[in-house]
Amino acid sequence: EVQLVESGGGLEKPGGSLRLSCAASGFTFSNAWMSWVRQAPGKGLEWVGRIKSKTDGGTTDYAAPVKGRFSISRDDSKNTLYLHMNSLKTEDTAVYFCTTPVPAALWGQGTLVTVSS
Amino acid sequence: EIVLTQSPGTLSLSPGERATLSCRASQSISSSYLAWYQQKPGQAPRLLIYGASSRASGIPDRFSGSGSGTDFTLTISRLEPEDFAVYYCQQYGSSPLTFGGGTKVEIK
Repeated sequence: EVQLVESGGGLEKPGGSLRLSCAASGFTFSNAWMSWVRQAPGKGLEWVGRIKSKTDGGTTDYAAPVKGRFSISRDDSKNTLYLHMNSLKTEDTAVYFCTTPVPAALWGQGTLVTVSS
Repeated sequence: EIVLTQSPGTLSLSPGERATLSCRASQSISSSYLAWYQQKPGQAPRLLIYGASSRASGIPDRFSGSGSGTDFTLTISRLEPEDFAVYYCQQYGSSPLTFGGGTKVEIK
């Protein structure tokens, strides 16, 4: 079955760190450019960043609000994408989704991150 | 950064009516790299349209996309009960990728 499953969300204090994981199955993960998208409670979608496939350089891009605090990595041997979140702020509270690019545009179910003291 | 502005914010229509949603970009989107997503409460977004006008796999033909440059439109020809949801446009032609603020299509 083609799917993405996120995990690692939870409650963290401001200034803390979390690592989210996204387990992929049913497609050739190593060839896929992968993105993280978040959605704050009751708000719209916000692109967080992406990582290209290793054959395309494996480089990363980030949205301005998370640049320098978040980093994306991948382990193609485990078919897993990661989002490393540091210096968390209350405004990082959101459901975090991992996604593949169009036209497949596969999305996971999301994992909730709550940043609160 | 390309800013996407969706209008209207909310569209109140009845089943069977036609819905026209707009997405305007702050600068031209290269190669029409514009997508439309549908999202229902508690669910992940679902891709409807990519490349401005190509329907994603399994999407009914009552959904159609058009436009180029800075002005794009999603049209739902006849609203079905399951179409009442929030719709987002996204440009994926240049980094950072960006989403519009969304249009909620609600039952009148």
